[in-house]
Amino acid sequence: DAKTTQPTSMDCAEGRAANLPCNHSTISGNEYVYWYRQIHSQGPQYIIHGLKNNETNEMASLIITEDRKSSTLILPHATLRDTAVYYCIVRLNTGFQKLVFGTGTRLLVSP
Amino acid sequence: SQTIHQWPATLVQPVGSPLSLECTVEGTSNPNLYWYRQAAGRGLQLLFYSVGIGQISSEVPQNLSASRPQDRQFILSSKKLLLSDSGFYLCAWSAKLAKGNEQFFGPGTRLTVL
Repeated sequence: DAKTTQPTSMDCAEGRAANLPCNHSTISGNEYVYWYRQIHSQGPQYIIHGLKNNETNEMASLIITEDRKSSTLILPHATLRDTAVYYCIVRLNTGFQKLVFGTGTRLLVSP
Repeated sequence: SQTIHQWPATLVQPVGSPLSLECTVEGTSNPNLYWYRQAAGRGLQLLFYSVGIGQISSEVPQNLSASRPQDRQFILSSKKLLLSDSGFYLCAWSAKLAKGNEQFFGPGTRLTVL
């Protein structure tokens, strides 16, 4: 799996958009970008994934650069409950794959 | 909808005692199942995975074992716990034919070995 680089921590005001960057310069052509988050003392939660097109779901948007070497997870209106560690992972989209989490970005949403 | 359960939620065990953690999945059939461990302040470490009943693969040599007696039941065991077995144990599942291959995690079991 390709290595990813994320900032250690970020702050965001409640109600504002949270933009979480991830660098994955060694990503290969058939690897997807996945985002998970882990709220304190809970299991990780899948957020979104994409290959090269931008993706949006009820939780977030994923913007992948044209060269696919970086991406940004966007939480359009952050709430206090979005405070968590966010993990960016690149991996193949095959039937079985273990998840390898790095250190992630600790997002703190404040009132 | 699918749900995944783990129990117990927390556990404090003495060194040398046995361990049994259970994970069950509802609302799906023939899932891939996973056991991960997360040490304090660390990332996830895959311990075992299973693609079917009785089929267990181990990722790392360790003091633990896993079994899958039923399609949607995954059990993590140890005969004698070590201090280093302390951690947050997470069970996850994924659908074999899912386009996205995302994994869904249970609430976890926090194990403290004293």
